[in-house]
Amino acid sequence: GAVVSQHPSWVICKSGTSVKIECRSLDFQATTMFWYRQFPKQSLMLMATSNEGSKATYEQGVEKDKFLINHASLTLSTLTVTSAHPEDSSFYICSALKGRGSSYEQYFGPGTRLTVT
Amino acid sequence: AQSVTQPDIHITVSEGASLELRCNYSYGATPYLFWYVQSPGQGLQLLLKYFSGDTLVQGIKGFEAEFKRSQSSFNLRKPSVHWSDAAEYFCAVGLTGGGNKLTFGTGTQLKVEL
Repeated sequence: GAVVSQHPSWVICKSGTSVKIECRSLDFQATTMFWYRQFPKQSLMLMATSNEGSKATYEQGVEKDKFLINHASLTLSTLTVTSAHPEDSSFYICSALKGRGSSYEQYFGPGTRLTVT
Repeated sequence: AQSVTQPDIHITVSEGASLELRCNYSYGATPYLFWYVQSPGQGLQLLLKYFSGDTLVQGIKGFEAEFKRSQSSFNLRKPSVHWSDAAEYFCAVGLTGGGNKLTFGTGTQLKVEL
């Protein structure tokens, strides 16, 4: 199988603080990971593509200075929400890419619920 | 840019009844198409995918989907729904070629009545 974990599963932080979310591929190596944001009852919105050993590629409209992504190893990517505000409260989901070309598949983590008070 | 439309926000079916969830996409070429299921507390799980070849795709848990190019559709079907199928279902389209990024539809919440 291919398992992706996220830590923490939920976090509450105060406005103005930073919070780090970890995404790990447990049984495979992933050169590419993705970070999504999901609002209640809405779809997943791709925030950025994280590539091991290089800078993340952010989607249009996503503030790269606010959502810091680090893909330090082939099994770990982190998303840091800096100076969090209540509007950053959301469900953050990561995925890790396994395979190449026509045989690729994204494996998703269980998500992290962030609440900013 | 590619887009995915799931016209049904909520669907309720009786256990044992058949199910069809609709998905339409907009893309200039033949896309990579996916159906995922999301259950509370769990990550999205891939039900099936279409890249090329046979337009009728079989997936896990008894699901199947049919790619219809003329209708730009990729509807998900199951002949007999089980109560455990209650969940949120997402259709997604991936870019052919590089990027491997997925664009998701807004999801369909399936409720199963016993």
